[in-house]
Amino acid sequence: AQSVTQLGSHVSVSEGALVLLRCNYSSSVPPYLFWYVQYPNQGLQLLLKYTSAATLVKGINGFEAEFKKSETSFHLTKPSAHMSDAAEYFCAVSEGGNTGFQKLVFGTGTRLLVSP
Amino acid sequence: DGGITQSPKYLFRKEGQNVTLSCEQNLNHDAMYWYRQDPGQGLRLIYYSQIVNDFQKGDIAEGYSVSREKKESFPLTVTSAQKNPTAFYLCASKWQTGTETGEQFFGPGTRLTVL
Repeated sequence: AQSVTQLGSHVSVSEGALVLLRCNYSSSVPPYLFWYVQYPNQGLQLLLKYTSAATLVKGINGFEAEFKKSETSFHLTKPSAHMSDAAEYFCAVSEGGNTGFQKLVFGTGTRLLVSP
Repeated sequence: DGGITQSPKYLFRKEGQNVTLSCEQNLNHDAMYWYRQDPGQGLRLIYYSQIVNDFQKGDIAEGYSVSREKKESFPLTVTSAQKNPTAFYLCASKWQTGTETGEQFFGPGTRLTVL
């Protein structure tokens, strides 16, 4: 079964600094990978997804992620943090195989704190 | 506007009571999901449904039940058999085509607290 590991339950950055949120996955088949963002007491919103096309994926709000098969990683980055980026971020891998069904396996999340 | 609605936003329950959480979508999505979110544990799948009148258990289905009588509705009942029901519950839906790569759309959630 697939699994997702997000290193660091909390990441703190200053406004304008680089944001790096780490995600490693385990999968026996080529994975489909997703990053979602959650603001307090709200649902999840898709930031970006990797579906075996380009390995560098650009998403909303200036975020991007690079799929590295050799490292089984899909880290999320943003060159310059903004106060509005403070939220919880979840990495997920799609586990469905030939069942015709998408089951997302989520990491435990990383809370991004942005200081002025 | 198309989207997913969940109600109520906050729900309080006494021990031993069953409660039902509502999830409605007007996106014409085929598949619907229920997740439970606890601090530090990410999201865990409770139940899912690919079509009307069909649903499957997820990873933590014990103490929960669902129905899918209409395409747009997927209510979740938290029964008294669920030993630790206090959590944030999220409903999601997606197109069934492009199954592996499609995006799941999430509702705003219901926070259930057992008193």
